[in-house]
Amino acid sequence: SQQGEEDPQALSIQEGENATMNCSYKTSINNLQWYRQNSGRGLVHLILIRSNEREKHSGRLRVTLDTSKKSSSLLITASRAADTASYFCATVSPSGTYKYIFGTGTRLKVLA
Amino acid sequence: EADIYQTPRYLVIGTGKKITLECSQTMGHDKMYWYQQDPGMELHLIHYSYGVNSTEKGDLSSESTVSRIRTEHFPLTLESARPSHTSQYLCATQGTANTEAFFGQGTRLTVV
Repeated sequence: SQQGEEDPQALSIQEGENATMNCSYKTSINNLQWYRQNSGRGLVHLILIRSNEREKHSGRLRVTLDTSKKSSSLLITASRAADTASYFCATVSPSGTYKYIFGTGTRLKVLA
Repeated sequence: EADIYQTPRYLVIGTGKKITLECSQTMGHDKMYWYQQDPGMELHLIHYSYGVNSTEKGDLSSESTVSRIRTEHFPLTLESARPSHTSQYLCATQGTANTEAFFGQGTRLTVV
């Protein structure tokens, strides 16, 4: 089964509000990454957080990582209609295989 | 912007036909991946390669095959397409270990 599961599966908010989505995973990791996918397109990397980091910021994005709970959250502040997309977390195990395991995704819709 | 290209973007083909989905990258990355994704669903790893003449099957069983004769090229072939192969196929690369993946725009395959 897939490593990650995202919660919620879908989220609809008004422009200007904050959006929070969560990712849970099952095994130990080397790092966790968040990606964005616009409808029918490829994925674009947003942010990477290493297993020894607890929080990371990039522009309007804030990612947290709790390795004891095997979970991560992505916060998008002051959302815009252009943020409408699917968001996936991906984990990379420390086993050296370099395989990315993607979560189930959160479909975010930001209403103007 | 990442230099990874997938062709064709869309393909509608009849059952039983042989098809090859192309993936090329100009970044010199050793690691390349093929993912299969149904609309609105998670990504499933079907093939990966760590370099020339290296190919491995992913976590999701697939009837497709891949080859890696050149670093920049990682084509995926279906010898006899079936309606169950209808899906989006995403190619990705990775440079150094524990860094982000770069994705192509995907090929949306429909087998009728």
